[in-house]
Amino acid sequence: DIQMTQSPSSLSASVGDRVTITCRASQSIGNFLNWYQQKPGKAPKLLIYAASNLQSGVPSRFSGSGSGADFTLTISSLQPEDFATYYCQQSNSAPLTFGGGTKVEIK
Amino acid sequence: QVQLVESGGGVVQPGGSLGLSCSASGFTFRDYAMHWVRQAPGKGLEWVAFIRYDGSNKYYADSVKGRFTISRDSSKNTLYLQMNSLRAEDTAVYYCARDLGYCSGGNCHNVFDIWGQGTMVTVSS
Repeated sequence: DIQMTQSPSSLSASVGDRVTITCRASQSIGNFLNWYQQKPGKAPKLLIYAASNLQSGVPSRFSGSGSGADFTLTISSLQPEDFATYYCQQSNSAPLTFGGGTKVEIK
Repeated sequence: QVQLVESGGGVVQPGGSLGLSCSASGFTFRDYAMHWVRQAPGKGLEWVAFIRYDGSNKYYADSVKGRFTISRDSSKNTLYLQMNSLRAEDTAVYYCARDLGYCSGGNCHNVFDIWGQGTMVTVSS
Protein backbone atom coordinates (compact mmCIF):
# COMPACT_ATOMS: atom_id res chain seq x y z
CA ASP A 1 0.00 0.00 0.00
CA ILE A 2 1.13 3.57 -0.68
CA GLN A 3 1.61 5.54 2.53
CA MET A 4 0.82 9.26 2.49
CA THR A 5 2.58 11.48 5.04
CA GLN A 6 1.42 15.03 5.63
CA SER A 7 3.34 17.74 7.41
CA PRO A 8 2.84 19.48 9.62
CA SER A 9 0.07 17.64 11.45
CA SER A 10 -1.15 20.99 12.73
CA LEU A 11 -0.28 24.65 12.38
CA SER A 12 -1.37 27.98 13.75
CA ALA A 13 -1.70 30.91 11.39
CA SER A 14 -3.29 34.32 11.15
CA VAL A 15 -5.77 35.68 8.65
CA GLY A 16 -3.83 36.86 5.62
CA ASP A 17 -0.91 34.47 6.12
CA ARG A 18 0.45 32.31 3.34
CA VAL A 19 0.10 28.66 4.37
CA THR A 20 1.85 25.65 2.88
CA ILE A 21 1.01 22.01 3.60
CA THR A 22 3.11 19.19 2.24
CA CYS A 23 2.23 15.62 1.39
CA ARG A 24 4.79 12.90 0.63
CA ALA A 25 4.02 9.53 -0.92
CA SER A 26 5.97 6.39 -0.05
CA GLN A 27 6.57 5.86 -3.78
CA SER A 28 6.17 7.85 -6.95
CA ILE A 29 2.52 8.49 -7.80
CA GLY A 30 2.88 10.82 -10.78
CA ASN A 31 0.18 13.47 -10.45
CA PHE A 32 -2.41 11.14 -8.90
CA LEU A 33 -2.89 13.37 -5.87
CA ASN A 34 -5.97 15.16 -4.57
CA TRP A 35 -6.60 17.61 -1.71
CA TYR A 36 -9.69 17.94 0.49
CA GLN A 37 -10.84 20.35 3.19
CA GLN A 38 -12.93 19.16 6.12
CA LYS A 39 -14.62 21.28 8.75
CA PRO A 40 -15.81 19.81 12.07
CA GLY A 41 -18.95 17.72 11.72
CA LYS A 42 -19.01 18.13 7.95
CA ALA A 43 -18.13 15.98 4.97
CA PRO A 44 -14.84 16.62 3.19
CA LYS A 45 -14.83 19.00 0.23
CA LEU A 46 -12.69 18.56 -2.88
CA LEU A 47 -10.22 21.42 -3.43
CA ILE A 48 -7.59 20.22 -5.90
CA TYR A 49 -7.41 17.16 -8.14
CA ALA A 50 -4.61 15.66 -10.21
CA ALA A 51 -2.10 17.65 -8.14
CA SER A 52 -2.83 21.09 -9.55
CA ASN A 53 -6.36 21.33 -10.96
CA LEU A 54 -8.62 23.65 -9.00
CA GLN A 55 -12.08 22.19 -8.47
CA SER A 56 -14.92 24.33 -9.79
CA GLY A 57 -16.12 26.86 -7.23
CA VAL A 58 -13.00 26.70 -5.07
CA PRO A 59 -11.37 30.10 -4.46
CA SER A 60 -8.21 30.82 -6.43
CA ARG A 61 -6.20 31.40 -3.22
CA PHE A 62 -5.92 27.59 -3.09
CA SER A 63 -3.32 26.01 -5.33
CA GLY A 64 -1.59 22.67 -5.60
CA SER A 65 1.75 21.65 -7.01
CA GLY A 66 4.13 18.73 -7.21
CA SER A 67 4.60 15.42 -8.93
CA GLY A 68 6.26 12.10 -8.24
CA ALA A 69 6.31 11.77 -4.46
CA ASP A 70 6.24 15.33 -3.13
CA PHE A 71 3.24 17.63 -3.23
CA THR A 72 2.18 20.97 -1.79
CA LEU A 73 -1.11 22.67 -1.03
CA THR A 74 -0.79 26.43 -0.71
CA ILE A 75 -3.30 28.94 0.59
CA SER A 76 -2.03 32.32 -0.59
CA SER A 77 -3.91 34.46 1.92
CA LEU A 78 -5.65 32.60 4.73
CA GLN A 79 -9.27 33.56 5.27
CA PRO A 80 -11.44 32.93 8.37
CA GLU A 81 -13.40 30.22 6.55
CA ASP A 82 -10.18 28.31 5.75
CA PHE A 83 -9.62 27.12 9.31
CA ALA A 84 -10.17 23.40 8.88
CA THR A 85 -8.38 20.08 8.45
CA TYR A 86 -6.81 19.30 5.09
CA TYR A 87 -6.20 15.83 3.66
CA CYS A 88 -4.25 14.60 0.68
CA GLN A 89 -5.28 11.40 -1.14
CA GLN A 90 -3.51 9.29 -3.74
CA SER A 91 -5.26 7.48 -6.57
CA ASN A 92 -2.23 5.99 -8.29
CA SER A 93 -3.06 2.50 -7.08
CA ALA A 94 -5.50 0.61 -4.90
CA PRO A 95 -6.08 0.80 -2.06
CA LEU A 96 -6.76 4.52 -2.27
CA THR A 97 -5.08 6.13 0.73
CA PHE A 98 -5.22 9.42 2.57
CA GLY A 99 -2.69 11.40 4.51
CA GLY A 100 -3.20 11.79 8.22
CA GLY A 101 -4.46 15.36 7.89
CA THR A 102 -3.22 18.85 8.72
CA LYS A 103 -5.29 20.93 11.10
CA VAL A 104 -5.08 24.65 10.42
CA GLU A 105 -5.91 26.65 13.53
CA ILE A 106 -6.24 30.33 14.34
CA LYS A 107 -3.17 31.95 15.89
CA GLN B 1 -28.82 20.28 -6.98
CA VAL B 2 -26.30 17.46 -6.97
CA GLN B 3 -26.79 15.56 -3.73
CA LEU B 4 -25.99 12.32 -1.95
CA VAL B 5 -27.92 11.28 1.15
CA GLU B 6 -26.86 8.31 3.25
CA SER B 7 -29.10 6.34 5.56
CA GLY B 8 -29.10 3.13 7.57
CA GLY B 9 -26.56 3.86 10.26
CA GLY B 10 -27.09 2.86 13.86
CA VAL B 11 -25.84 0.77 16.74
CA VAL B 12 -25.08 -2.92 16.15
CA GLN B 13 -23.44 -5.62 18.25
CA PRO B 14 -20.07 -7.09 17.31
CA GLY B 15 -20.58 -9.84 14.75
CA GLY B 16 -23.80 -8.27 13.55
CA SER B 17 -24.83 -6.88 10.18
CA LEU B 18 -26.01 -3.54 8.88
CA GLY B 19 -26.92 -2.18 5.47
CA LEU B 20 -26.28 1.39 4.37
CA SER B 21 -27.92 3.21 1.49
CA CYS B 22 -26.92 6.32 -0.42
CA SER B 23 -29.57 8.06 -2.49
CA ALA B 24 -28.31 10.17 -5.38
CA SER B 25 -30.06 13.09 -7.05
CA GLY B 26 -29.27 15.97 -9.39
CA PHE B 27 -27.01 13.98 -11.72
CA THR B 28 -27.11 10.90 -13.95
CA PHE B 29 -26.21 8.28 -11.35
CA ARG B 30 -25.63 5.47 -13.84
CA ASP B 31 -22.78 7.43 -15.47
CA TYR B 32 -20.59 7.64 -12.37
CA ALA B 33 -18.42 5.30 -10.34
CA MET B 34 -19.05 5.53 -6.62
CA HIS B 35 -17.17 4.99 -3.37
CA TRP B 36 -17.66 4.50 0.35
CA VAL B 37 -15.23 6.29 2.67
CA ARG B 38 -15.29 6.14 6.46
CA GLN B 39 -13.94 8.16 9.35
CA ALA B 40 -13.56 6.74 12.86
CA PRO B 41 -14.30 9.20 15.68
CA GLY B 42 -11.50 11.77 15.91
CA LYS B 43 -9.49 10.02 13.17
CA GLY B 44 -8.65 10.52 9.53
CA LEU B 45 -10.32 9.32 6.36
CA GLU B 46 -10.22 5.70 5.15
CA TRP B 47 -11.37 4.55 1.73
CA VAL B 48 -13.61 1.48 2.02
CA ALA B 49 -14.95 0.39 -1.35
CA PHE B 50 -15.40 1.31 -5.03
CA ILE B 51 -17.90 0.29 -7.66
CA ARG B 52 -17.65 1.06 -11.35
CA TYR B 53 -20.42 3.05 -13.02
CA ASP B 54 -21.97 -0.11 -14.46
CA GLY B 55 -21.28 -2.31 -11.42
CA SER B 56 -18.86 -4.51 -13.36
CA ASN B 57 -15.88 -3.92 -11.08
CA LYS B 58 -15.68 -3.63 -7.33
CA TYR B 59 -12.69 -3.06 -5.07
CA TYR B 60 -12.34 -3.13 -1.31
CA ALA B 61 -9.93 -2.09 1.41
CA ASP B 62 -8.20 -5.10 2.95
CA SER B 63 -9.76 -4.19 6.31
CA VAL B 64 -13.28 -4.94 5.00
CA LYS B 65 -12.68 -7.47 2.22
CA GLY B 66 -14.84 -10.54 2.61
CA ARG B 67 -17.14 -8.80 5.12
CA PHE B 68 -18.51 -5.77 3.21
CA THR B 69 -20.28 -5.74 -0.16
CA ILE B 70 -20.80 -2.67 -2.31
CA SER B 71 -23.61 -2.64 -4.85
CA ARG B 72 -25.81 -0.25 -6.79
CA ASP B 73 -29.25 -0.04 -8.33
CA SER B 74 -29.25 2.58 -11.06
CA SER B 75 -33.01 2.25 -11.54
CA LYS B 76 -33.33 3.58 -7.99
CA ASN B 77 -30.32 5.94 -8.11
CA THR B 78 -29.04 4.23 -5.00
CA LEU B 79 -25.69 2.94 -3.77
CA TYR B 80 -25.48 0.31 -1.05
CA LEU B 81 -23.00 -1.06 1.45
CA GLN B 82 -23.83 -4.34 3.16
CA MET B 83 -21.69 -4.81 6.23
CA ASN B 84 -21.41 -8.23 7.89
CA SER B 85 -19.33 -9.60 10.76
CA LEU B 86 -18.96 -6.11 12.16
CA ARG B 87 -16.16 -5.29 14.57
CA ALA B 88 -15.58 -2.49 17.04
CA GLU B 89 -12.99 -1.02 14.67
CA ASP B 90 -15.70 -0.55 12.03
CA THR B 91 -17.22 2.18 14.19
CA ALA B 92 -17.15 5.31 12.06
CA VAL B 93 -19.07 7.85 10.04
CA TYR B 94 -19.63 6.32 6.62
CA TYR B 95 -19.71 8.64 3.62
CA CYS B 96 -20.71 7.81 0.07
CA ALA B 97 -18.84 9.79 -2.54
CA ARG B 98 -19.10 10.25 -6.27
CA ASP B 99 -16.07 9.68 -8.47
CA LEU B 100 -15.34 12.73 -10.60
CA GLY B 101 -14.43 10.55 -13.55
CA TYR B 102 -11.40 12.62 -14.48
CA CYS B 103 -9.17 11.07 -17.12
CA SER B 104 -6.11 12.60 -18.76
CA GLY B 105 -3.58 11.14 -21.14
CA GLY B 106 -5.30 7.79 -20.99
CA ASN B 107 -5.06 7.64 -17.21
CA CYS B 108 -8.11 7.91 -14.98
CA HIS B 109 -7.95 9.36 -11.49
CA ASN B 110 -10.19 8.40 -8.58
CA VAL B 111 -11.33 11.74 -7.19
CA PHE B 112 -14.14 12.15 -4.66
CA ASP B 113 -15.96 15.23 -5.91
CA ILE B 114 -19.36 14.97 -4.23
CA TRP B 115 -19.89 13.63 -0.70
CA GLY B 116 -22.93 12.78 1.34
CA GLN B 117 -23.44 14.10 4.84
CA GLY B 118 -22.44 10.78 6.38
CA THR B 119 -24.17 8.20 8.54
CA MET B 120 -22.81 6.97 11.87
CA VAL B 121 -22.24 3.27 12.50
CA THR B 122 -21.44 2.20 16.05
CA VAL B 123 -20.39 -1.37 16.77
CA SER B 124 -20.72 -2.02 20.47
CA SER B 125 -22.17 -4.53 22.89
